[in-house]
Amino acid sequence: KAGVTQTPRYLIKTRGQQVTLSCSPISGHRSVSWYQQTPGQGLQFLFEYFSETQRNKGNFPGRFSGRQFSNSRSEMNVSTLELGDSALYLCASSLRGQATNEKLFFGSGTQLSVL
Amino acid sequence: AQSVTQLGSHVSVSEGALVLLRCNYSSSVPPYLFWYVQYPNQGLQLLLKYTSAATLVKGINGFEAEFKKSETSFHLTKPSAHMSDAAEYFCAVTVRSNDYKLSFGAGTTVTVRA
Repeated sequence: KAGVTQTPRYLIKTRGQQVTLSCSPISGHRSVSWYQQTPGQGLQFLFEYFSETQRNKGNFPGRFSGRQFSNSRSEMNVSTLELGDSALYLCASSLRGQATNEKLFFGSGTQLSVL
Repeated sequence: AQSVTQLGSHVSVSEGALVLLRCNYSSSVPPYLFWYVQYPNQGLQLLLKYTSAATLVKGINGFEAEFKKSETSFHLTKPSAHMSDAAEYFCAVTVRSNDYKLSFGAGTTVTVRA
């Protein structure tokens, strides 16, 4: 079974631009969660999607948004990029979602650098 | 709100020596606790999980952790370190009342000396 796939692996953008990251969950998984990982703040929860609906949200500004498609693939969008958005963005999938306290399967992440 | 604190951002051990990574939690309700490992250039992988069934939890790769309510701790141990254990380790906590949103610790980087 293929694992969680995130694309692209690396991304370089400049301030003010927008970016879209993609995550394909494990086949059959309906929940996709997104996390931001930085050396200073560690791992922080962005949001979770389940069956195309946002089910949970962390404390990030509205510039961070996401969506999930009918095949459970998810995209995360960051508009008006700031230098502080430079981070490793991880997505994680699970069968029924975080609300069931089940195991999360993580992708390798997208490393975003904002210049 | 629940949180975890990992004591020590870097731990260096000799191959064959005990690995001990410390994690203390804060929660007003019964927590669920996790240890995840992140190898270089990879995502996180679950090592083990405490869900109140047993206080001593055995995980993958020879790791185990013990839940101690009196000490609010969930320390991770491995009797004998292997070179392949070099990675970053994260303790995480979640509670039912917060829809099981995971809160991670800052992480501990383990290096293993030959």
